Amino acid sequence: DAMVIQNPRYQVTQFGKPVTLSCSQTLNHNVMYWYQQKSSQAPKLLFHYYDKDFNNEADTPDNFQSRRPNTSFCFLDIRSPGLGDAAMYLCATSRDLRGMTEAFFGQGTRLTVV
Amino acid sequence: DQQVKQNSPSLSVQEGRISILNCDYTNSMFDYFLWYKKYPAEGPTFLISISSIKDKNEDGRFTVFLNKSAKHLSLHIVPSQPGDSAVYFCAAIEGTYKYIFGTGTRLKVLA
Repeated sequence: DAMVIQNPRYQVTQFGKPVTLSCSQTLNHNVMYWYQQKSSQAPKLLFHYYDKDFNNEADTPDNFQSRRPNTSFCFLDIRSPGLGDAAMYLCATSRDLRGMTEAFFGQGTRLTVV
Repeated sequence: DQQVKQNSPSLSVQEGRISILNCDYTNSMFDYFLWYKKYPAEGPTFLISISSIKDKNEDGRFTVFLNKSAKHLSLHIVPSQPGDSAVYFCAAIEGTYKYIFGTGTRLKVLA
């Protein structure tokens, strides 16, 4: 049973055309994360929500935004995708931010920018 | 600047033998480490973790060793099985929640 679900699995978007990636979870976890993984690179944290509190990593471009309308859903919005934003985007959840809790990952959305 | 490094992009091992996957880190403040396994078309799944107060943690066929002085950890899989073929990511936790991942090692277990 999938616990962290990402949609779509594959997304093709045009250069400069806004795109939204979606993540939902059935674990009722407080924390949701978005990671970006470019080809042959390590996954890199973009931001996270602890409940409704949004936390941006310092080096996350302004082009990337996120919304969390409720506990179960989190969206990644890319306002003007560039060719360099083509990557796998991974959503993850964890119960909380304390005590080194394990994170659960979705299958990822592979974004192609044309 | 990679703080967590997996210098071997790939590894092939015969079924039944030991697989050893290595990971090095640069930040001596890291005190919790995890290994994740990723099959194609699936998300990474948690495998095993270790706190810096330990130098070994074992879970069935999987053992993680931590050498703090060398800033090195390794994952041992004994015996290796074809179903273990996957990409293995090492991760350190910065602060309390931020995962710093390595680039992964692709393990292929040959039947």
